[in-house]
Amino acid sequence: NAGVTQTPKFQVLKTGQSMTLQCAQDMNHEYMSWYRQDPGMGLRLIHYSVGAGITDQGEVPNGYNVSRSTTEDFPLRLLSAAPSQTSVYFCASSLFPQGYNQPQHFGDGTRLSIL
Amino acid sequence: SQQGEEDPQALSIQEGENATMNCSYKTSINNLQWYRQNSGRGLVHLILIRSNEREKHSGRLRVTLDTSKKSSSLLITASRAADTASYFCATDRGGGADGLTFGKGTHLIIQP
Repeated sequence: NAGVTQTPKFQVLKTGQSMTLQCAQDMNHEYMSWYRQDPGMGLRLIHYSVGAGITDQGEVPNGYNVSRSTTEDFPLRLLSAAPSQTSVYFCASSLFPQGYNQPQHFGDGTRLSIL
Repeated sequence: SQQGEEDPQALSIQEGENATMNCSYKTSINNLQWYRQNSGRGLVHLILIRSNEREKHSGRLRVTLDTSKKSSSLLITASRAADTASYFCATDRGGGADGLTFGKGTHLIIQP
């Protein structure tokens, strides 16, 4: 049982490039979400999904897109990378919808640097 | 805007001592959760306490919740070197919005 798997673990991009951060879970969890963690800021919610085909915005959605075509996968797309998006990105999941009401299972993160 | 704020920002104690961290939040909540993060790793869930609960235990962890003061505390008893980590509290975002809002964390160092 792998849990929540994030790839890549590290990435360096140039300003204006696009890329997709991958997140997969093998626990048949309905709820998945993306957070970013910046020094001194705690974690902030980017987007979340309560099930396949359903996504919604979190606290800091600008510059990011998501889709949820399967229960297992929840990729995060940076459309045109900016230095302000340099951060550590975490994917999390929980069994049922209403993610605020359950323990979240986190991946180990993707460390992204935008030059 | 952030709900939870942990206090202190950093804490260094000797192995075997107890460690107490506090979390304050601003608006009414459905539940409050505590997470641990080891360096370079993802967050690990520790305890979830609901708004109608006052205290919860899990092994060496004890969490209290005082909704009248909008605060929670996490007590780690008989600390070990492996407890060195950052600890975060998280609450629901409120206003019907899903997802969690996290504090900035307490960095705990256990000296051998």
